[in-house]
Amino acid sequence: EAGVVQSPRYKIIEKKQPVAFWCNPISGHNTLYWYRQNLGQGPELLIRYENEEAVDDSQLPKDRFSAERLKGVDSTLKIQPAELGDSAVYLCASSSQGGVSYEQYFGPGTRLTVT
Amino acid sequence: RKEVEQDPGPFNVPEGATVAFNCTYSNSASQSFFWYRQDCRKEPKLLMSVYSSGNEDGRFTAQLNRASQYISLLIRDSKLSDSATYLCVVKRGAGNMLTFGGGTRLMVKP
Repeated sequence: EAGVVQSPRYKIIEKKQPVAFWCNPISGHNTLYWYRQNLGQGPELLIRYENEEAVDDSQLPKDRFSAERLKGVDSTLKIQPAELGDSAVYLCASSSQGGVSYEQYFGPGTRLTVT
Repeated sequence: RKEVEQDPGPFNVPEGATVAFNCTYSNSASQSFFWYRQDCRKEPKLLMSVYSSGNEDGRFTAQLNRASQYISLLIRDSKLSDSATYLCVVKRGAGNMLTFGGGTRLMVKP
């Protein structure tokens, strides 16, 4: 079974430029999460989707960040414009609510460097 | 104060040693507890859940003390392959919302 797929794996941009990350969750997983992980810290949730509905986006900096999951499958996270402090690893995860386990499965992440 | 706190380490131990990590959480409404493992430049992966009665998975033992809001992970007979960052994770409320600690780095040396 394929895991969570993310692209690109690495991205280097100049500040004030836009950037977008893409995530395809595990097939059948209706819950999708975007996390940001700064160096030496644990992942922090940015937004959570149940199917196509964003059910928790309280940690998403809405002035510059946006996300969508139009058909309840894959998702994109956008930053516009990027700032130096946005340099981090952006992780996507998915989980299924159908079973006993709510384990979240993470993708490999996109490592963003803003110069 | 962070909701989930861990000693960042690093813990440097020789192969075969026993090592323990601790974690404290501040929200008494936390319902479920986990340890995730993250290898360098890789994604986090679930290592084990933590149950109130304590649980063991091979060389790994997890304990939970709800009264003290404290979670521990014990690794016996450390292997070189155990070198990683161990993330303490708590879940509260409905909706599978996880809060991660900052992680404890373990380095097992020959």
